Amino acid sequence: QVQLVQSGAEVKKPGASVKVSCKASGYTFTSYGISWVRQAPGQGLEWMGWISAYNGNTNYAQKLQGRVTMTTDTSTSTAYMELRSLRSDDTAVYYCARDKSTVTKWMDVWGQGTTVTVSS
Amino acid sequence: DIVMTQSPDSLAVSLGERATINCKSSQSVLYSSNNKNYLAWYQQKPGQPPKLLIYWASTRESGVPDRFSGSGSGTDFTLTISSLQAEDVAVYYCQQYYSTAATFGPGTKVDIK
Repeated sequence: QVQLVQSGAEVKKPGASVKVSCKASGYTFTSYGISWVRQAPGQGLEWMGWISAYNGNTNYAQKLQGRVTMTTDTSTSTAYMELRSLRSDDTAVYYCARDKSTVTKWMDVWGQGTTVTVSS
Repeated sequence: DIVMTQSPDSLAVSLGERATINCKSSQSVLYSSNNKNYLAWYQQKPGQPPKLLIYWASTRESGVPDRFSGSGSGTDFTLTISSLQAEDVAVYYCQQYYSTAATFGPGTKVDIK
């Protein structure tokens, strides 16, 4: 079955970086893109950005430009999201989700989420 | 960025009754060249990731019960649950993908009255 499996929970100090992985299975990885969405505790959904697994094109949310990098490894069907210079307000559940290959549209398959806690 | 708003923030509906959620975008998400509205709806239950319900404003995702329907065009959209079931208790989000930067609405919580 189509699924996205994310890496485990992380605890980081302010100023550190975190890299979350998202392994896809059950579909042709390079025919789709991956969006990353985060959700702070008790809050709504925030789109962070998108990467095409077909050609590596990316599009990031303006507020995260310069701090976030999304990559893919097509040999292992895995997407990665790295967030740098972490702050306390980056504490959230981070989701990867399957998206379209050419541009972000709707997200039809979601990972289970990765909790990232930023605390001194 | 296109700003999405939703109303109400929350609502409580009796089992079997209709639930209506509104979503408004700060600019039109209707793409004139294909006459499609670039809007999706998601359902999120506590402790779970979101689940896609509807895309293109009114196309139901495979496997989604037909009591869920989407309507609207331009800047104003509606998600309707025609006969609320206990398993529909959740937060519902709209999302625009007209812009290359997707944005979500703040969510509407649906409970049983």
